[in-house]
Amino acid sequence: QQQVKQSPQSLIVQKGGISIINCAYENTAFDYFPWYQQFPGKGPALLIAIRPDVSEKKEGRFTISFNKSAKQFSLHIMDSQPGDSATYFCAARRGSARQLTFGSGTQLTVLP
Amino acid sequence: GAGVSQSPSNKVTEKGKDVELRCDPISGHTALYWYRQSLGQGLEFLIYFQGNSAPDKSGLPSDRFSAERTGGSVSTLTIQRTQQEDSAVYLCASSLSYEQPSSYEQYFGPGTRLTVT
Repeated sequence: QQQVKQSPQSLIVQKGGISIINCAYENTAFDYFPWYQQFPGKGPALLIAIRPDVSEKKEGRFTISFNKSAKQFSLHIMDSQPGDSATYFCAARRGSARQLTFGSGTQLTVLP
Repeated sequence: GAGVSQSPSNKVTEKGKDVELRCDPISGHTALYWYRQSLGQGLEFLIYFQGNSAPDKSGLPSDRFSAERTGGSVSTLTIQRTQQEDSAVYLCASSLSYEQPSSYEQYFGPGTRLTVT
């Protein structure tokens, strides 16, 4: 059972555009939602994270929007740059657990 | 300081052989996690360590998989009698702890790419 569903699988955006990646979860016990960025040959690196008591968190060009009632959260990358081309994973964790449950990933390509 | 390191970076082995994958967490990190990433897939949780103990082994795919951690630091993931379906990137992560929200962040190593022929 996939507990975190991520879409789209791949995304192509022009430089300067907005990249939007969506995730939906089923387990209402999740209380921590991070996004990871992974470049080829590297391990995932934490990009930004949110807890369900806020609806939005912004760090530079990256924004997480969180909709608790819909059990959805999304990553918005403003002014997308070719250097943002990577695979992005959403994840979720419930307080009593230790591991993260990951989405299947989105391969983002930003065209110059 | 140094990040999470893993060795080897690549491992090619024949079906039926045993392999050992090593993870060196960030110094002072008490929590350590192993994940598996198959081609084009997300990360699948395998096991985590609290200090040297592993309270939850339910993510290990079969009894051919085992892991240990010694001295609260280095961890080894062992796969016995490897099968072709074991081919994947094995990622290790560590975190300061997991009891305080401020320490949830998991730092990942570069992974070990395992290929079973």
